[in-house]
Amino acid sequence: NAGVTQTPKFQVLKTGQSMTLQCAQDMNHNSMYWYRQDPGMGLRLIYYSASEGTTDKGEVPNGYNVSRLNKREFSLRLESAAPSQTSVYFCASSATGRTEAFFGQGTRLTVV
Amino acid sequence: GENVEQHPSTLSVQEGDSAVIKCTYSDSASNYFPWYKQELGKGPQLIIDIRSNVGEKKDQRIAVTLNKTAKHFSLHITETQPEDSAVYFCAASTPNQAGTALIFGKGTTLSVSS
Repeated sequence: NAGVTQTPKFQVLKTGQSMTLQCAQDMNHNSMYWYRQDPGMGLRLIYYSASEGTTDKGEVPNGYNVSRLNKREFSLRLESAAPSQTSVYFCASSATGRTEAFFGQGTRLTVV
Repeated sequence: GENVEQHPSTLSVQEGDSAVIKCTYSDSASNYFPWYKQELGKGPQLIIDIRSNVGEKKDQRIAVTLNKTAKHFSLHITETQPEDSAVYFCAASTPNQAGTALIFGKGTTLSVSS
């Protein structure tokens, strides 16, 4: 009963380094999302994928890229990390955009 | 795009009291309104949701109301218990050309003291 699995759980990067956050779901969901959570800012949508082969920008896409590798996997890439990208990142999936979204456990990223 | 405002940001109640959290949304095309509960160190989990063709929905101690005309919806928790202490998020699902995106409010930290 894995649900939504995110890796890694914790990461420290130096400014300018790149990395990819991985997300996989085993519920055969069409829609997948990446959010970042900062104190007092709630959950802000970075990118989403309504179905395999499509992606679109959310509220805060600058500095990020995504890939919907297949129906199960949706990755988030930071090409050149900045301290402003220090945050907790959550991946989520849902059958459609109007049904329950299931969240992963989050990735705590610190950029120094 | 859609904007979701949530109030209050913090709420403290005594055990057994009721708690009410309110949200407003901007896009009249939004048609699905879920509420999520987030406990410390975990991802958010759905507690109740409502669709735009329904005005009210209840599930035991939790209820949600929706006023489409005013574009606001509220979460009501009755007979609060210490385990209700958590961060609560409202959200609105708005369709657009690329699909449907779930936009969240900034959250309400609920503290229930015994």
